[in-house]
Amino acid sequence: NAGVTQTPKFQVLKTGQSMTLQCAQDMNHNSMYWYRQDPGMGLRLIYYSASEGTTDKGEVPDGYNVSRLKKQNFLLGLESAAPSQTSVYFCASSYGSGGGRDTQYFGPGTRLTVL
Amino acid sequence: GQNIDQPTEMTATEGAIVQINCTYQTSGFNGLFWYQQHAGEAPTFLSYNVLDGLEEKGRFSSFLSRSKGYSYLLLKELQMKDSASYLCAAMDSNYQLIWGAGTKLIIKP
Repeated sequence: NAGVTQTPKFQVLKTGQSMTLQCAQDMNHNSMYWYRQDPGMGLRLIYYSASEGTTDKGEVPDGYNVSRLKKQNFLLGLESAAPSQTSVYFCASSYGSGGGRDTQYFGPGTRLTVL
Repeated sequence: GQNIDQPTEMTATEGAIVQINCTYQTSGFNGLFWYQQHAGEAPTFLSYNVLDGLEEKGRFSSFLSRSKGYSYLLLKELQMKDSASYLCAAMDSNYQLIWGAGTKLIIKP
């Protein structure tokens, strides 16, 4: 039982390049999330998905796109990378029970640098 | 607006007790989470409170006062491995988590 996995672990991009961050979970969770974490700031939600085939914008969605074609996978795309997108990206998943006690479990993160 | 406040950094001694405070303002409230995050690693779940009072889980306890918009995490018998950041997050009326910036806890021998 691997939990939540993310690939790649590290990535360096040049401004204007595009890439996809991959996230997979084997806990049969309904909900999945993409966050970014920057020094001195809390985790900020980029996009989330309450179920397979559905996605919604979070707090900071500009410059990103997502897809949830399979229940276990949630992809985050950077269309044209900018230095402001240099960050650590975390994927998380939860049962999505709709109740308060919906604990999110995190992947190990992807450290992205945009030059 | 929605906001979470917690101290940026705290220092404590091995074997001692430390209390990390968190105040929150959210649109609606569906509970308060505490996560631990070691440097370079992912956040891991510690506790969840939705009712007023103290919940104890081994060396860690978490307290909530809904009327005051206040929570704290209490760590007893501190160990060097407790050196980490502690993240406070409140769940709003849409069941979204609002995260604090985290409190970096430094444990000295």
